[in-house]
Amino acid sequence: GESVGLHLPTLSVQEGDNSIINCAYSNSASDYFIWYKQESGKGPQFIIDIRSNMDKRQGQRVTVLLNKTVKHLSLQIAATQPGDSAVYFCAENNNAGNMLTFGGGTRLMVKP
Amino acid sequence: GAVVSQHPSWVICKSGTSVKIECRSLDFQATTMFWYRQFPKQSLMLMATSNEGSKATYEQGVEKDKFLINHASLTLSTLTVTSAHPEDSSFYICSANPARGGQPYEQYFGPGTRLTVT
Repeated sequence: GESVGLHLPTLSVQEGDNSIINCAYSNSASDYFIWYKQESGKGPQFIIDIRSNMDKRQGQRVTVLLNKTVKHLSLQIAATQPGDSAVYFCAENNNAGNMLTFGGGTRLMVKP
Repeated sequence: GAVVSQHPSWVICKSGTSVKIECRSLDFQATTMFWYRQFPKQSLMLMATSNEGSKATYEQGVEKDKFLINHASLTLSTLTVTSAHPEDSSFYICSANPARGGQPYEQYFGPGTRLTVT
C-alpha cells in the first residue's frame, strides 16, 4: 500500500505485482511529460515520455497514462522486480524551452 | 551513447572554502547544461541553466555570486560553490541537452556529486 513519509511517499509492492505510480502536474500548458528513475546516490535515468497530444504510451514493461482533464500522469510497471526499487519522478516540459520541472517523487519498494 | 559524467562524485570541504564540480558530456555536444540541487528525500530543484559561451540563467532564490557557473565548451560546464557553508551540503546533479537531434526537453543526467561541508 501507499504511505506518506516525511517528504517522499512510498509505494510498497510484492515482487511480480504491477505497480502504479501517480503524479499530479500543475501547468496545463506543458507539452511533454517524462518519467525518471533514480536509484540511491545516482542521477535520474530516463524511463519513458509522452507528448500532451497522447493519452497512453507503452514501453518495455512500462506504460504511461496522461489525463489532461485532471492534470494527472501515471506510470505503470508490470511484473515489478527488485531492480525496480528506486525513487520515481515525473517531470514536465512547459514548451517554453528545454527546461524541466520535476514532481515530488515516489519511492517504490519491492518486497521479494 | 549520451553519457554525462561528473567529477568529483563526492567531496568533503571545510566551511568557507570553495569547491568546483565538473560536468562533462562524453559522447555528444551540449549547447545547454542544467544544474540541479537535491536535498535528502526531496526532488530535484533547478538551480541554473547554462548555455555554452554565455552567462548562466539562475532560478529565483539561487545566488549567482555563490554558485558560479562556467560553460566554456560544448562538452564541459562547471559549478563552483564559493565560500561553502554546511547548508550548502547537498547532492548536485547536472544534465545536458544535446546540441543536435532529439527533443528540446531531452536531458541526460550525470551521476551527481555529493557535497558535504563541515
